[in-house]
Amino acid sequence: QKEVEQDPGPLSVPEGAIVSLNCTYSNSAFQYFMWYRQYSRKGPELLMYTYSSGNKEDGRFTAQVDKSSKYISLFIRDSQPSDSATYLCASRPNTGGFKTIFGAGTRLFVKA
Amino acid sequence: DVKVTQSSRYLVKRTGEKVFLECVQDMDHENMFWYRQDPGLGLRLIYFSYDVKMKEKGDIPEGYSVSREKKERFSLILESASTNQTSMYLCASSLMGVGTDTQYFGPGTRLTVL
Repeated sequence: QKEVEQDPGPLSVPEGAIVSLNCTYSNSAFQYFMWYRQYSRKGPELLMYTYSSGNKEDGRFTAQVDKSSKYISLFIRDSQPSDSATYLCASRPNTGGFKTIFGAGTRLFVKA
Repeated sequence: DVKVTQSSRYLVKRTGEKVFLECVQDMDHENMFWYRQDPGLGLRLIYFSYDVKMKEKGDIPEGYSVSREKKERFSLILESASTNQTSMYLCASSLMGVGTDTQYFGPGTRLTVL
């Protein structure tokens, strides 16, 4: 079992839709939960992160972590064609060390 | 802004060739990483380095080696390229291995081994 599981999609939605992207993880030591966005022919870039459980909002994006169920979510409101990208969830523990575990990435298409 | 550059965007090599992929970062980051990205498998860590001349194996180091002679430069070497090493290779750097350890990625090198 992978430590971070993510449905690769693709996910296709119309412009303006609410998008829900999800991951599950297995390592209880994970404390930091990140979402990276990767546009075509580019490297991933950090979009947002949360620490431990709870929600974090940034504009149209909301990241949510439920540690009891080991579930990570990213919601995109009023989705735009410019949101079309691959979204990778990632997790790591709250101790020193270098191991960030990435999910496989979900490819999102937002149609105008 | 942090900038991570990779020597080539596209590379085509033949089986058995020695391949060098170069990565340079300009933000004085301690940590540097090499990943390969394949459809359905996501990012898999090949090697990382937390200091000059230091290296640690990642999840899939077989068939690869690395070199870090200067803090800003991290090289990935395929000693004898094989077709199963056809992939997208991504280099990344980060300031330190704590907290979110935000990684800054280069644009990637798409390597095809014939």
